[in-house]
Amino acid sequence: GAGVSQTPSNKVTEKGKYVELRCDPISGHTALYWYRQSLGQGPEFLIYFQGTGAADDSGLPNDRFFAVRPEGSVSTLKIQRTERGDSAVYLCASSSAGIPYNEQFFGPGTRLTVL
Amino acid sequence: TQLLEQSPQFLSIQEGENLTVYCNSSSVFSSLQWYRQEPGEGPVLLVTVVTGGEVKKLKRLTFQFGDARKDSSLHITAAQPGDTGLYLCAGVVDSGGGADGLTFGKGTHLIIQP
Repeated sequence: GAGVSQTPSNKVTEKGKYVELRCDPISGHTALYWYRQSLGQGPEFLIYFQGTGAADDSGLPNDRFFAVRPEGSVSTLKIQRTERGDSAVYLCASSSAGIPYNEQFFGPGTRLTVL
Repeated sequence: TQLLEQSPQFLSIQEGENLTVYCNSSSVFSSLQWYRQEPGEGPVLLVTVVTGGEVKKLKRLTFQFGDARKDSSLHITAAQPGDTGLYLCAGVVDSGGGADGLTFGKGTHLIIQP
């Protein structure tokens, strides 16, 4: 019955490295969303999964960013060749068709710092 | 260009005062949501407004959706230090599509001084 969980809570990496961020949605939620929140800004949509498939990836900034959800539950956001501009909090949210008005439940986020 | 403009960006007031935060757009939204976010945590949903002109109350918080569904406001009466946080409005543009990602405003950083 837990909420959305994200790991790690903090990730520090060096420019050029590869990172994976994990999201564990609320059990039974079919929709999963990734957002990026830069300092002092509101969250910015990245990608939305319905089940195992990416229904909308229009928010991914470039081809260094990729996300998967192979079993329709846990999702991994993957960032290749990280850049300092990728530093932000990456938020995951989940929802379900039974929840009205696209109300989403957010995890605590992963704070990514690229040195 | 920011689809949802929030104002003010920062607000610091004394405990007991009233305040209003605004969320404006040139686009029509099928629904608008207000979230509150505290440091180190994800946004937490406060309310969803759906119908133009709708008013919803949540204790000392009053939310209003504009008649044209392009704007919304959050009014807090007798603010308390526990109201301190980042208030975000978010919505889904009324494009007739499916459950796409939310579009967020930049947020209003609210500080209530004891």
